[in-house]
Amino acid sequence: DVKVTQSSRYLVKRTGEKVFLECVQDMDHENMFWYRQDPGLGLRLIYFSYDVKMKEKGDIPEGYSVSREKKERFSLILESASTNQTSMYLCASRTQGSPYNEQFFGPGTRLTVL
Amino acid sequence: KNEVEQSPQNLTAQEGEFITINCSYSVGISALHWLQQHPGGGIVSLFMLSSGKKKHGRLIATINIQEKHSSLHITASHPRDSAVYICAVPRGADDKLIFGTGTRLQVFP
Repeated sequence: DVKVTQSSRYLVKRTGEKVFLECVQDMDHENMFWYRQDPGLGLRLIYFSYDVKMKEKGDIPEGYSVSREKKERFSLILESASTNQTSMYLCASRTQGSPYNEQFFGPGTRLTVL
Repeated sequence: KNEVEQSPQNLTAQEGEFITINCSYSVGISALHWLQQHPGGGIVSLFMLSSGKKKHGRLIATINIQEKHSSLHITASHPRDSAVYICAVPRGADDKLIFGTGTRLQVFP
């Protein structure tokens, strides 16, 4: 059974803290994604990784960075958390060149920044 | 105007009712995705379709490529169908997905 896991389901941090969100997939997928989901806005792409050590900015990268040192792991980093980064964060993965672009999602991390 | 629009935003139904959720898009696509997100967050793929109709149990998805419109139907709805339903389409050549804002469905017994 395919699996994408995220390090935390719920996380509470303070403004200015450095935050790490971890995502691990066991499907040997090349591509991995970080999205945030906000009411009324749907899922928005923060960063995308084609493969190990490769990354590309999505639609809303400001305030975020990513790391992909191993194929199975894609980390999202909030260098200095702010209250407007309170959101649901979802990780996804897919195989490169998959027909119809099917992505597999993790359970999400609900981050609250106080 | 959003590239992917869903309607309605919220939907309540009594158990057993027939449900229709609509999705309209403005970009040319190779396939459209219907996704389901249960309370708690995880998203699962229900359908990928590029033409016609697909059926899985009580769920039916249809697409009209010329009209750039898709519908998701749920027959004999059940409280366990309560979830957010999201449609998504590839964004042109870069093959990232564009997501609708979702339809929140609540089915009451």
